[in-house]
Amino acid sequence: NAGVMQNPRHLVRRRGQEARLRCSPMKGHSHVYWYRQLPEEGLKFMVYLQKENIIDESGMPKERFSAEFPKEGPSILRIQQVVRGDSAAYFCASSPRDRALTGYTFGSGTRLTVV
Amino acid sequence: EDQVTQSPEALRLQEGESSSLNCSYTVSGLRGLFWYRQDPGKGPEFLFTLYSAGEEKEKERLKATLTKKESFLHITAPKPEDSATYLCAVHTNNDMRFGAGTRLTVKP
Repeated sequence: NAGVMQNPRHLVRRRGQEARLRCSPMKGHSHVYWYRQLPEEGLKFMVYLQKENIIDESGMPKERFSAEFPKEGPSILRIQQVVRGDSAAYFCASSPRDRALTGYTFGSGTRLTVV
Repeated sequence: EDQVTQSPEALRLQEGESSSLNCSYTVSGLRGLFWYRQDPGKGPEFLFTLYSAGEEKEKERLKATLTKKESFLHITAPKPEDSATYLCAVHTNNDMRFGAGTRLTVKP
């Protein structure tokens, strides 16, 4: 039973390019959460999705960032026109229920470097 | 505004030297407090959930406790393999908010 799968593990983009980060939740989990982690800082909530719905995007920057979780396929976090400040580790987590009180299962993250 | 503060930022222990990590919080509507362990280059790994003041959970050398304002993660006789960053998170009515973590190093 595979856990939360994120790819790619490492992604290098030049300023102005687009970054697409993928997340396949744990089997049986229909709730997906994206977090960003900067060095020496805690995880910052970005967005919470269920299949085909964005439930809470209060942590997403208003511009350049978008997320989706289609009926088929992985959840995608998309960053358009990346800037150096977007360099960070992006973690996806999943849970079987809404904001599950059993704790989230996290993926290994995608480390985005903008050069 | 909801806040989660972990201390110390970093802790160095000798193998066998017991200690505690602190997570203090000011949030509205606490639904649960979580502890995670994060190894370098990996995602956080779930350890415990605590729901109410007075509750305690144990797992091997780790014991988590909760009061109305803070939680402690007690590490008894730690081993080098316990070296990691320990994250605290609080689940409120609005979201899951993480602290910045305590980076624990256990020297043999």
